[in-house]
Amino acid sequence: EIVLTQSPGTLSLSPGERATLSCRASQSVSSSYLAWYQQKHGQAPRLLIYGASSRATGIPDRFSGSGSGTDFTLTIGRLEPEDFAVYYCQQYGSSPYTFGQGTKLEIK
Amino acid sequence: QVQLVESGGGVVQPGTSLRLSCAASGFTFSSYGMHWVRQAPGKGLEWAAAISYDGRKTTYADSVKGRFTISRDDSKNTLYLQMNSLRLEDTAVYYCASQIAAGYWGQGTLVTVSS
Repeated sequence: EIVLTQSPGTLSLSPGERATLSCRASQSVSSSYLAWYQQKHGQAPRLLIYGASSRATGIPDRFSGSGSGTDFTLTIGRLEPEDFAVYYCQQYGSSPYTFGQGTKLEIK
Repeated sequence: QVQLVESGGGVVQPGTSLRLSCAASGFTFSSYGMHWVRQAPGKGLEWAAAISYDGRKTTYADSVKGRFTISRDDSKNTLYLQMNSLRLEDTAVYYCASQIAAGYWGQGTLVTVSS
């Protein structure tokens, strides 16, 4: 089983700042099958990035994904008030299709 | 527009069974692999099960293997999760979701296992 470790656990930033979230895998994620999700309280997760770097439909271009192998990054270029939420990475290259434990992005 | 609507959640006792359904619309359901993902109260996301677009391949998390069964009925555009031998730790919101890159998710149905 591939274990995904997200860091930091909590990130405190102000609107307008840049956010960098990390997702590290215990073994290589095949074909960069790595996704990022945003989840707000009481809502279903929303797909942001798939294939490590492809933005999902309707996702603003301030969201970008990068990385390969075992190290992946989600970058939010300039934080908007609606971006403060919990973010999860998920690998879907090999079953079980595990999630990271999440990074909470909070307003500083 | 795309919709995934889960149903079948509720309060059940440990050791009992429950079947969840997920009704799909707005996309060609029979062409998509599907997943169940769960989230315990106040916790993170946990992938539970997946089924291929043609129903021939299924895969499960170790935590549910042997107790849960994922299936689909393409004539009804519906995904199912049969949950047997339920445990307290199965308490969660259960989401159905399409194959990852498509990004379709339902709003979830709450399953509470309590004595």
